[in-house]
Amino acid sequence: NAGVTQTPKFRILKIGQSMTLQCTQDMNHNYMYWYRQDPGMGLKLIYYSVGAGITDKGEVPNGYNVSRSTTEDFPLRLELAAPSQTSVYFCASSYGLTGTQYFGPGTRLLVL
Amino acid sequence: AQTVTQSQPEMSVQEAETVTLSCTYDTSESDYYLFWYKQPPSRQMILVIRQEAYKQQNATENRFSVNFQKAAKSFSLKISDSQLGDAAMYFCAYRSLNRDDKIIFGKGTRLHILP
Repeated sequence: NAGVTQTPKFRILKIGQSMTLQCTQDMNHNYMYWYRQDPGMGLKLIYYSVGAGITDKGEVPNGYNVSRSTTEDFPLRLELAAPSQTSVYFCASSYGLTGTQYFGPGTRLLVL
Repeated sequence: AQTVTQSQPEMSVQEAETVTLSCTYDTSESDYYLFWYKQPPSRQMILVIRQEAYKQQNATENRFSVNFQKAAKSFSLKISDSQLGDAAMYFCAYRSLNRDDKIIFGKGTRLHILP
């Protein structure tokens, strides 16, 4: 099993550009999550999904959108990139609410 | 609202010694999970140990153990026989069992291992 994979590993965006961060898991987990980690801080939940077709907001959803058309994939979309979205983004998955979360390697995003 | 506080931004320990990282949290819930995650320079988040709040027994995973004090809302991590590979950022995290969106991380403690 590859676990949780994320692409790209690193990206530079100009203000106002859009992009999609990809996340795929091969563990058949129903729960998936997107977090952001700002320098010197812990992770903050952006969006999560409890199953295909179901998504919901976390603590910091503004400026982002997600979709969950399959169990495996949970892409995160930035529509109009802003410098405040410079961060490291982590995708994670778990089996159920109480299952251990498995994290991807992260995507470092720089918005200039 | 739930909060997680790690009061030690950085700590150092001599190789082979024991170190304890502190974590306190605030919640009005009775059922929840607590976690310690390790983040090495590679940035990968790795689960170290987890504790279910309803369990009185402290969780243990090899050289890692916790001291869970539910009444005091304290959840410290003890690393025994510290190794160079233990050098990393350590995050304490709280997960509500009542709300899917309540996953709170502390700001982390950077642990240095001195050879």
